[in-house]
Amino acid sequence: GEDVEQSLFLSVREGDSSVINCTYTDSSSTYLYWYKQEPGAGLQLLTYIFSNMDMKQDQRLTVLLNKKDKHLSLRIADTQTGDSAIYFCAESIWGNTGKLIFGQGTTLQVKP
Amino acid sequence: DVKVTQSSRYLVKRTGEKVFLECVQDMDHENMFWYRQDPGLGLRLIYFSYDVKMKEKGDIPEGYSVSREKKERFSLILESASTNQTSMYLCASTGLAGETQYFGPGTRLLVL
Repeated sequence: GEDVEQSLFLSVREGDSSVINCTYTDSSSTYLYWYKQEPGAGLQLLTYIFSNMDMKQDQRLTVLLNKKDKHLSLRIADTQTGDSAIYFCAESIWGNTGKLIFGQGTTLQVKP
Repeated sequence: DVKVTQSSRYLVKRTGEKVFLECVQDMDHENMFWYRQDPGLGLRLIYFSYDVKMKEKGDIPEGYSVSREKKERFSLILESASTNQTSMYLCASTGLAGETQYFGPGTRLLVL
């Protein structure tokens, strides 16, 4: 079945780049997403990439997709303390009525 | 501005009580979802609905039911709350194209 895997924790220093990784199993994914969850809040869409793209850049965020290896990454340049949150990777499956499969979430800790 | 609201941010209930969690979206979305979020497990889909009065089981429907009488409202019902249903509950919605899920702020439920 479909599965999405992420490491659970990442710690970086303020100003460094953060790279959060994700692997997925279903090759029929149409869109892949990154969501951010701040403490006590719901999930906020950060960015998404269509499955026929290999890169998308949006200000400090860069998403890389390696479709052959089913590997997705989110790079945050110049990481700030306000970037501390849980980051979820998710994939949508074609024909699945908007249903998403989420990873476990990666907690990003940014040290001053 | 997109909006998904949930009736309560925090809820404390006793074992055996019937619990209603309400979710309302103002985007005229067809699809609505209920997830629960537990540490290290990410988001797990409980139920979803792709139309009024339609519902589909997700990955963990046991102990839950849902109701969708109006397009904008999707309710999650715990018929007889148990301590293992203590969790964060998140509602989301998406349009027919199913591209992006918009999330509510979540309800943190504690069952004593």
